[in-house]
Amino acid sequence: DTGVSQDPRHKITKRGQNVTFRCDPISEHNRLYWYRQTLGQGPEFLTYFQNEAQLEKSRLLSDRFSAERPKGSFSTLEIQRTEQGDSAMYLCASSERSYEQYFGPGTRLTVT
Amino acid sequence: DQQVKQNSPSLSVQEGRISILNCDYTNSMFDYFLWYKKYPAEGPTFLISISSIKDKNEDGRFTVFLNKSAKHLSLHIVPSQPGDSAVYFCAASAQRSSNTGKLIFGQGTTLQVKP
Repeated sequence: DTGVSQDPRHKITKRGQNVTFRCDPISEHNRLYWYRQTLGQGPEFLTYFQNEAQLEKSRLLSDRFSAERPKGSFSTLEIQRTEQGDSAMYLCASSERSYEQYFGPGTRLTVT
Repeated sequence: DQQVKQNSPSLSVQEGRISILNCDYTNSMFDYFLWYKKYPAEGPTFLISISSIKDKNEDGRFTVFLNKSAKHLSLHIVPSQPGDSAVYFCAASAQRSSNTGKLIFGQGTTLQVKP
């Protein structure tokens, strides 16, 4: 078991560009979550997948954000037309049941 | 609306002494609580959890206490070690009323354990 992995670990992009992040959950976990963390704050929930179905999206997830989990395995989070306010750590977590969630190392996004 | 609050941004304790980290919540629908530890440039690591049907859960040096009437929980670390120095997050979820299990986090408390 290698835990939750995320790629890339760091991404620097210019405002207006599109970026895509990938998350590979723990293999037997059917639940997958995306969170965003800004400096001095705790992680904030963005969206939740159970298998391939996206069952909840936060109001933080504007229409520039889209997430997918094809075949219920890995997940991608895409941000279109990035803004400076999108700069944050994007965290992925997975769980086997809706209790303890196990987090990946995160992708740090910097929008210049 | 901050539903989970950690009012102490930082805490400094001497090695070997007890560390007590506090957390308050406002949503009475929360029924499961967790503590995570986070080192710089890493994701949060699960430490310990407690269900609302209990008032205490212990795992080695870590004990979590839950006071439902006060909507307050605390994490005790005894004895504290320098390797415990990290940011600690309290998180809550509403398992019975929500099918997602999403976590609501506090702002975090930075613990420094001095040798």
